[in-house]
Amino acid sequence: DGGITQSPKYLFRKEGQNVTLSCEQNLNHDAMYWYRQDPGQGLRLIYYSQIVNDFQKGDIAEGYSVSREKKESFPLTVTSAQKNPTAFYLCATGGGYEQYFGPGTRLTVT
Amino acid sequence: AQKITQTQPGMFVQEKEAVTLDCTYDTSDQSYGLFWYKQPSSGEMIFLIYQGSYDEQNATEGRYSLNFQKARKSANLVISASQLGDSAMYFCAMSIGSSGSARQLTFGSGTQLTVLP
Repeated sequence: DGGITQSPKYLFRKEGQNVTLSCEQNLNHDAMYWYRQDPGQGLRLIYYSQIVNDFQKGDIAEGYSVSREKKESFPLTVTSAQKNPTAFYLCATGGGYEQYFGPGTRLTVT
Repeated sequence: AQKITQTQPGMFVQEKEAVTLDCTYDTSDQSYGLFWYKQPSSGEMIFLIYQGSYDEQNATEGRYSLNFQKARKSANLVISASQLGDSAMYFCAMSIGSSGSARQLTFGSGTQLTVLP
């Protein structure tokens, strides 16, 4: 099946630990994106990548890092520098004007 | 900077009736795209409809239509013949121009739609 997958669905971490969220796509799209969603709010762009080995900061990149070593994969690391990491994280991939979203990862940091 | 405003935090509609969800946008760019997404309680984002700034006709996709009024900078979503499965959060979003293959989306705060039986 073609699509975009994120794992895990739920993730729990202790404060001060880095955590990496997975995002994989087999749609052969060049562009990939990471968004953060807080309760009752819209999505905010963290990072995006247009091609392999290239990525750009979005509106709220502080405390996050990404890599794009393969076209299919765009992992997001939430570092200990992110002050409020508990949120719902959505990965997307772009083909034309449409963005296809993964199912999301709910991260809880205590 | 671009901005999307959705002024209706919550809306109720009777099953089988039509409903309009409001969206206004702000940008100084001439080339942009407007999107509507549906987010059920499961959290996934489902693409509904797209309107380009140069498209003269309003976009339609099945029961969804986008009422695009460029002079008013509004892009309202109309859902006809509401179904119980339409109950979800709805987000309006905008992208500016084109940047290679990447389009960064700016989202509004959403409208929670509840369809009543």
